[in-house]
Amino acid sequence: GAVVSQHPSWVICKSGTSVKIECRSLDFQATTMFWYRQFPKQSLMLMATSNEGSKATYEQGVEKDKFLINHASLTLSTLTVTSAHPEDSSFYICSARDQGSGNPDTQYFGPGTRLTVL
Amino acid sequence: SQQGEEDPQALSIQEGENATMNCSYKTSINNLQWYRQNSGRGLVHLILIRSNEREKHSGRLRVTLDTSKKSSSLLITASRAADTASYFCATVSGNTPLVFGKGTRLSVIA
Repeated sequence: GAVVSQHPSWVICKSGTSVKIECRSLDFQATTMFWYRQFPKQSLMLMATSNEGSKATYEQGVEKDKFLINHASLTLSTLTVTSAHPEDSSFYICSARDQGSGNPDTQYFGPGTRLTVL
Repeated sequence: SQQGEEDPQALSIQEGENATMNCSYKTSINNLQWYRQNSGRGLVHLILIRSNEREKHSGRLRVTLDTSKKSSSLLITASRAADTASYFCATVSGNTPLVFGKGTRLSVIA
């Protein structure tokens, strides 16, 4: 089945630093990937849609200059949290659709990255 | 924005009992999907039901969809302790990405 990986699985950083999170589709190509954020005991909130070779589409209220998304290849999207602050501490999850499969509507999720900003 | 609203928010049952979770949504959909999330982990896709389907089974899972009421239910039969997790419904409308409900936290007590 389609597998999506994320790296790192957890990261602790100081306030003001930048953190990069990678999302990879391991056995399929993904022209579109999605980034979600999840606060404790809450649901997943879509942050942005990452499009290979073009600019990401951000949801309302998500600062594009703070959450930089780069989708440079068909198997890799990165999310960089710039000048991180404690309120950015959250669980970040990426997902991708395997549009070449028989289930193009199914999104496959990565295991998530827990970011803690001190 | 969130589309689905799961009910109940939390559910605690004994092993062997059935667990039923409900989901309501607001707009027209292409399909509705159910996911499971173990604490602090990523999501696992359970089942997808299309808007022209009314019921679907997968192992111990049974999903129903009522588009007239804009609601869906997930039934887990003969629950096990390993079923303890949060369960989310998510909808697809047009070409949009998944929009998740708030989830139901299921606890199965051995």
